[in-house]
Formats: sequence, C-alpha cells, structure tokens
Amino acid sequence: DSGVTQTPKHLITATGQRVTLRCSPRSGDLSVYWYQQSLDQGLQFLIQYYNGEERAKGNILERFSAQQFPDLHSELNLSSLELGDSALYFCASSSYADRVPGNTIYFGEGSWLTVV
Amino acid sequence: DAKTTQPTSMDCAEGRAANLPCNHSTISGNEYVYWYRQIHSQGPQYIIHGLKNNETNEMASLIITEDRKSSTLILPHATLRDTAVYYCIVTTSYGKLTFGQGTILTVHP
Repeated sequence: DSGVTQTPKHLITATGQRVTLRCSPRSGDLSVYWYQQSLDQGLQFLIQYYNGEERAKGNILERFSAQQFPDLHSELNLSSLELGDSALYFCASSSYADRVPGNTIYFGEGSWLTVV
Repeated sequence: DAKTTQPTSMDCAEGRAANLPCNHSTISGNEYVYWYRQIHSQGPQYIIHGLKNNETNEMASLIITEDRKSSTLILPHATLRDTAVYYCIVTTSYGKLTFGQGTILTVHP
C-alpha cells in the first residue's frame, strides 16, 4: 500500500459526459501528479500540483483539468468524454516539488475509466 | 530526460537472481536512475534509485556502471510475485517521469 488513495476505482460513463477523479496523497506529501495509461500510449504524465499550485504540465488535453485543494487532495476533471479517453488514471504523490535529490513519487492504484 | 533502452522481455526461474539491464548512454551528470515496476494494471511501484553509487534496499540492488551509461537492477531471489513490467527511468525531474515500454519479467516456477 503506497498510501495514495484514489476514488472511484472503476467508472463507466457515456461519451460527452463529465467525470471527476479524486486523489488523496500520502500523509504530508505536498505534490500530486496525474498520469494516464492507455493501451496505445502507455503511461503518460498529465499534470503536477505542488501545495495548491500547478507546477508542471504534460500531455493533458484541454478538455481535462485538475486542481489541488487546501487539504492537499486533488481532483482530475475529464469533460466531453470520448471513447479514446478510456484508460487507467493514476495519481501519485511526493514530498517535494521536483529536482530534489531523492525525491520519490508513489503511485495510487488507479481509477479505471471506461467511456461507452 | 535521457533515453533508456531495455530488453522487451526476460525470463527468470523462481529463487534465482533476476538481472534486468538498462542502457542510458546519454545520461547527464545530474540525472538519477529510477526503477519502477507495474504488476498487471496496478499502480507503478517504486523500487530503487541511484545517481552514481550502487544502491541496495529491501527489494533490490541497483548497479550503475562507472561511466553511468548503463545500469542493472538485481532482484536477488525472484518469486512469482515479481512477475511484472520493470521500467528504468533516467530523469532530473523526479516527479515528471517518462515511462518507456519497460521489460516484461516473467518468473517461472
């Protein structure tokens, strides 16, 4: 158990809909990261928040957005869903922002999203 | 981040050491080598990381060559539960990890 908690574990929704994925980082961790894993793209970094502020952005679509709240939990919002958005979405957390020697990130178990 | 090259797949007998190689010939001086594994659609699990020196923890050992252009992850006594995809990642951005295809390690009874 990494200590990173994600909900829901599974979600099925229709095209065009909007969903919210939730992540609670490990106790004391200030950084939260979101990754997407699909069959054809592999594991890809989406976005990082550090202590409530966006810190780094990866291949995140404009239809997707994220935020980190004062209690440090984070939400990933996916809107206007398409079939191709079906994937595993992982949240990860770490103590530091980045570029800190020894900074290690720990992943949650993921949220399976199926768009039908 | 430096590009890494790993074998697509490897086999290992249960109880034997599993040695997973990784080439990172373009690694720069401040880049760390990280290893993660993913057991069938579970979240990636951190294994170990290092900069120059060899490292060991309760899960594995990491051997980095003196020129830092390659490394080997060693699972000393592989079990069936070690069957997974193993990712070697070289990075300075310790959170924004770039995952390649990894090595599928299959441990046989």
